[in-house]
Amino acid sequence: EPEVTQTPSHQVTQMGQEVILRCVPISNHLYFYWYRQILGQKVEFLVSFYNNEISEKSEIFDDQFSVERPDGSNFTLKIRSTKLEDSAMYFCASKRDTDTQYFGPGTRLTVL
Amino acid sequence: QQQVKQSPQSLIVQKGGISIINCAYENTAFDYFPWYQQFPGKGPALLIAIRPDVSEKKEGRFTISFNKSAKQFSLHIMDSQPGDSATYFCAAGSNGAFIGRKAAGNKLTFGGGTRVLVKP
Repeated sequence: EPEVTQTPSHQVTQMGQEVILRCVPISNHLYFYWYRQILGQKVEFLVSFYNNEISEKSEIFDDQFSVERPDGSNFTLKIRSTKLEDSAMYFCASKRDTDTQYFGPGTRLTVL
Repeated sequence: QQQVKQSPQSLIVQKGGISIINCAYENTAFDYFPWYQQFPGKGPALLIAIRPDVSEKKEGRFTISFNKSAKQFSLHIMDSQPGDSATYFCAAGSNGAFIGRKAAGNKLTFGGGTRVLVKP
C-alpha cells in the first residue's frame, strides 16, 4: 500500500539555523499538508498546498516558514531561522480528492 | 469557533471493555469527522470517519456516533484489546470549502487527544 514518507526522522539544529524537512506524498495525490505536534499536545495545521500554491495557512505559518514542491514527487517545509519553540514533530500529509488525509511518520525537530 | 474539544484526556479500560471518547465542535461548516489513532513515535493513522448525513458508522470493533444537532460525535471501541492502547484524536474538516477562488484544501482541526490504556 502506498504511503507518505518523510526524511529525516530526526533533525537536531541550533537556534537560528535553517532546516528543510522533506516529504514524498503518495504519488497520485493532489493536496499536500504540513502539521506539527508539540510533545504531548494536539496536532496543529500549518499549511495546505494545492495546484502548486498555498491554499491555506495557519497563524503559526509565519514568514519564517515556506513550502515548495520542487519536482513531481517531493514536498518540502523550510524554516528559515529556527526558534526553540519550533521543536516539535512535523507531519506531512496528502490526499487525492477524497476526504482521507494520509499522514507520514513525522520528523522530530529538536532546536537547541 | 474552529476548536474541537475532546474528552476524556485519558482512559483506562480492562480488556474486553468498551472505550468511549467524545468530541464536540462549534463550526457548522465542518462536514467531515475522522478519528485517527496514533502510536508513540508514529504519525496519525485514519481509523474511521463519518459525514453528517449519517448518525452512526461501524467498522469492526470501532463505531462513530454522530449527533448533528448537538454538534457532538463519539468513538466507541468495543471489546477493547491491549493492542488498542494508543492516543486517539478526533478531527473535523470542511471539504470543498473555498477561500476566495482557491480551494481551501480541507485542513483538519484536531481535538486534544485521548490516551487509551487497555489493561490485560
